[in-house]
Amino acid sequence: AQKITQTQPGMFVQEKEAVTLDCTYDTSDPSYGLFWYKQPSSGEMIFLIYQGSYDQQNATEGRYSLNFQKARKSANLVISASQLGDSAMYFCAMREGALLGGFKTIFGAGTRLFVKA
Amino acid sequence: SQTIHQWPATLVQPVGSPLSLECTVEGTSNPNLYWYRQAAGRGLQLLFYSVGIGQISSEVPQNLSASRPQDRQFILSSKKLLLSDSGFYLCAHTAGDLGYEQYFGPGTRLTVT
Repeated sequence: AQKITQTQPGMFVQEKEAVTLDCTYDTSDPSYGLFWYKQPSSGEMIFLIYQGSYDQQNATEGRYSLNFQKARKSANLVISASQLGDSAMYFCAMREGALLGGFKTIFGAGTRLFVKA
Repeated sequence: SQTIHQWPATLVQPVGSPLSLECTVEGTSNPNLYWYRQAAGRGLQLLFYSVGIGQISSEVPQNLSASRPQDRQFILSSKKLLLSDSGFYLCAHTAGDLGYEQYFGPGTRLTVT
């Protein structure tokens, strides 16, 4: 069963507008973390934002915010004031529990965002 | 600061040939290391992880193997490549006890012909 679901294969947004990228997850572990990564065409994976399962407030990092709705198991990424450089692939990921002292991170299939001038 | 290196950046190999991809980490000690594969237009699939020298765990049974001969070195290998091994290979690490986020290397694009 899929643990991370990103239902939007592609999204278009006008420059300077806000956009929401959807992510739902499935876990029975009470302790988990949710991440968003950006992958531009160069292929590098860029960490954007993190939300812990016990965090009371939604995470924010500059123009990025994570709309965390625990009961609905969703962790949508909101990008405000979109810029042309935001065009990229975006991955939602979940870290479950502890993996022998490390963490196992599962990635969604990704959403490709296109920012129009 | 932490830096993660991967080489080669691109590789074209014939079916049946061997493979060796290298990943090294700077600026941290005792990192947890990961190998991921990304097929074209797809998400990341965890292949192997390592929490210490000589400690390797496999997530997906296949013709690939991994080794960690040194604390900050992680190697992905194959004795005989398959066409399905083509993809973008990313090495990642988490540092420290918390390891909230993974830092990724620049990746190796492998094409098996």
